[in-house]
Amino acid sequence: ETGVTQTPRHLVMGMTNKKSLKCEQHLGHNAMYWYKQSAKKPLELMFVYSLEERVENNSVPSRFSPECPNSSHLFLHLHTLQPEDSALYLCASSQDGLAGGPFVNEQFFGPGTRLTVL
Amino acid sequence: QKEVEQNSGPLSVPEGAIASLNCTYSDRGSQSFFWYRQYSGKSPELIMFIYSNGDKEDGRFTAQLNKASQYVSLLIRDSQPSDSATYLCAVHNAGNNRKLIWGLGTSLAVNP
Repeated sequence: ETGVTQTPRHLVMGMTNKKSLKCEQHLGHNAMYWYKQSAKKPLELMFVYSLEERVENNSVPSRFSPECPNSSHLFLHLHTLQPEDSALYLCASSQDGLAGGPFVNEQFFGPGTRLTVL
Repeated sequence: QKEVEQNSGPLSVPEGAIASLNCTYSDRGSQSFFWYRQYSGKSPELIMFIYSNGDKEDGRFTAQLNKASQYVSLLIRDSQPSDSATYLCAVHNAGNNRKLIWGLGTSLAVNP
């Protein structure tokens, strides 16, 4: 039990569908992340929210739209995806430490959503 | 040039041996270094972090950092079959906010 849950665990969608991925963290953390993990590629950070405000958006296509209604919930809305978007989508959370110190915040990952775009 | 490089493996060691996993990084301003373990079909989990030159030990795991050589390693003593997984190296520069730069991971197989 990691304290970070994701639903659904598996998702198959067509290119014209609209779907949403959900993440919930039960750890009291104040930062949440969306990552994409593809075969033979490093983990790619997509979005970061800190205190419900988006603080990073790493040039992610607009067909991916994040939403963070509160510090415990994070969504990734999917629209008009491409087959190359098929991957494992991981949610993570962390507790920001004190400013000026070394960045040692542990990121806790959810189990991921395995997405297949047909 | 890859920002964080790891030998993809597989690295195969016998049970009870020391497994040595290596990671090099290109950003000299990197300050914090993380080792995550990822079992097949599972999500990554943090094993250790280190931010000072030298060794840091936690049970059977030792992280070693050499900033001058831009090199970080993870040693696993008395390797067990349950250690078989992919080990991911991640690096952080405070100038990158919360963004970690990840390696591709090294696959470790511990043979009984």
